[in-house]
Amino acid sequence: GAGVSQSPSNKVTEKGKDVELRCDPISGHTALYWYRQSLGQGLEFLIYFQGNSAPDKSGLPSDRFSAERTGGSVSTLTIQRTQQEDSAVYLCASSTGGSYGQYFGPGTRLTVT
Amino acid sequence: QKEVEQNSGPLSVPEGAIASLNCTYSDRGSQSFFWYRQYSGKSPELIMSIYSNGDKEDGRFTAQLNKASQYVSLLIRDSQPSDSATYLCAVRSFQKLVFGTGTRLLVSP
Repeated sequence: GAGVSQSPSNKVTEKGKDVELRCDPISGHTALYWYRQSLGQGLEFLIYFQGNSAPDKSGLPSDRFSAERTGGSVSTLTIQRTQQEDSAVYLCASSTGGSYGQYFGPGTRLTVT
Repeated sequence: QKEVEQNSGPLSVPEGAIASLNCTYSDRGSQSFFWYRQYSGKSPELIMSIYSNGDKEDGRFTAQLNKASQYVSLLIRDSQPSDSATYLCAVRSFQKLVFGTGTRLLVSP
């Protein structure tokens, strides 16, 4: 079946601009996660959605970051007033529930110039 | 102390050998453990999950869990050059996964 998809695959933006990253999870997966991975660094948790519950936003690094999930499916991660330190690969993952393994999309490589 | 620790490597093994990758974690209450493989420039790929003490085998891969020692390992038998990648250990903490920084494995022909 289709895996997790993300768009765009690459995004280059100027410092101070806003960006939106999209994630389409595996059909039927109720849990959706956003992570980011900076060059040579580990995966950093950003936010978690489970069904209709309030999202766990504990990993968002600043109030410039926000995310929403519409209709329990597609999610959008928005970064406002981008900074150079926001440059990273943003990864989306989905799973059938919190206890189970997560399946990652191909990621969006964000470069802030 | 990091929540999930792995030796960054590289771990170099010859083709056909057994590669042993190790991971320790700090949260004694953790119940779910995962191994991911990440090729350079690609996203992580789930290869093993383990929830109970002991061994779990899947093809050439064996995951081992020892909750008393807070230790998880991954054995790769008959290593192939295509196994060369970074292997990430992940531990579930509440509803999110906490990842180690990964061990780079190099399998030489």
